[in-house]
Amino acid sequence: AQTVTQSQPEMSVQEAETVTLSCTYDTSENNYYLFWYKQPPSRQMILVIRQEAYKQQNATENRFSVNFQKAAKSFSLKISDSQLGDTAMYFCAFMKRRHPGGSNYKLTFGKGTLLTVNP
Amino acid sequence: NAGVTQTPKFRILKIGQSMTLQCTQDMNHNYMYWYRQDPGMGLKLIYYSVGAGITDKGEVPNGYNVSRSTTEDFPLRLELAAPSQTSVYFCASSLAPALGETQYFGPGTRLLVL
Repeated sequence: AQTVTQSQPEMSVQEAETVTLSCTYDTSENNYYLFWYKQPPSRQMILVIRQEAYKQQNATENRFSVNFQKAAKSFSLKISDSQLGDTAMYFCAFMKRRHPGGSNYKLTFGKGTLLTVNP
Repeated sequence: NAGVTQTPKFRILKIGQSMTLQCTQDMNHNYMYWYRQDPGMGLKLIYYSVGAGITDKGEVPNGYNVSRSTTEDFPLRLELAAPSQTSVYFCASSLAPALGETQYFGPGTRLLVL
């Protein structure tokens, strides 16, 4: 079974500073996708960034970037120049084919990291 | 753009009551999903659908039923509500997961079973 582990239940950072959220996953697959979702107090799930496992280049979206280490099965999220609006629960998620050769995909979530940005 | 909409936003049920959580998407996505999120946890898949008329169980299907008569709608039915079903329910849809397309989530329905 695929598992996604976020080892930091809570983190805090000062506004304008940089913070890194950790995520590790367990799989025997070679082709898969990884995502970071943000869930603010409104509870809306918002995609932050995605990474294809076959790409060596780390994904970047404005102030958000990832450090994808495929061999180590690690997928950390770096938030630069943290803003108060970044305060949210952050979920790491892993997506792969439900069955070999099939067209259905399964998305598995970690338990989340609560990030608080302090003024 | 409406995206994925869910109704109701919040509901209190008594044990044994039934209800249907509504989910509609206007993006013409074939894939739709129902998740539940318990406090302090990530999302767990209840049911999913790969197109109209096709549904399948996820990780935690017991106590729920779904139907998919149209591309747009994917209602989730609770037949005999139990306290263990107190949770926040999210509906999601995606276009092409094979291409790594993400899932788009609705705003959630908070359900309290007493």
